[in-house]
Amino acid sequence: EAGVAQSPRYKIIEKRQSVAFWCNPISGHATLYWYQQILGQGPKLLIQFQNNGVVDDSQLPKDRFSAERLKGVDSTLKIQPAKLEDSAVYLCASTQQGRGNIQYFGAGTRLSVL
Amino acid sequence: SQQGEEDPQALSIQEGENATMNCSYKTSINNLQWYRQNSGRGLVHLILIRSNEREKHSGRLRVTLDTSKKSSSLLITASRAADTASYFCADHSGGYQKVTFGTGTKLQVIP
Repeated sequence: EAGVAQSPRYKIIEKRQSVAFWCNPISGHATLYWYQQILGQGPKLLIQFQNNGVVDDSQLPKDRFSAERLKGVDSTLKIQPAKLEDSAVYLCASTQQGRGNIQYFGAGTRLSVL
Repeated sequence: SQQGEEDPQALSIQEGENATMNCSYKTSINNLQWYRQNSGRGLVHLILIRSNEREKHSGRLRVTLDTSKKSSSLLITASRAADTASYFCADHSGGYQKVTFGTGTKLQVIP
């Protein structure tokens, strides 16, 4: 089966600019996650979708970050405006119902904010 | 922060030696999972241990779980250079499939 697809792989922007990341989960996976991973740290959950509804966005900086999952399939994460501290890898993951919540990750998007 | 902690933060061993890394978590869990991350890549699931299990094996991996101490350990036996990576524990809790990752252990296996 195809894995989780993410694009772009790398993005360099200047602070105050906007950026968007795209994720296509594994077919049939109802739950989709966006994580932020700062260098040297573990992934931090930003937002969790169940189908196209938000389950948890408690750690999403809503003044600048937004995410949507239209039709319960692919998803976009947007940052507007970006800050220097947003430099990180943004990981998308999906899970299949009833599999103990084993997460399948995409390769991530490495964002550098200058 | 709700993140669990892992120790050591970094570990360097010779090929053929065993590597042990430990994880502590903060909540009651449904299961605990371990993931590996090679440099510049996404995370890959290694092994899952349920809250009612105490030990689990998979190939060269051995995981233990002590729910009374809210801790887990991952043992990699007979390490190989290809095992060089960062290892993360992740606790699964609650009813909405929430997973919280630890801070990770960076393992270097020297050939």
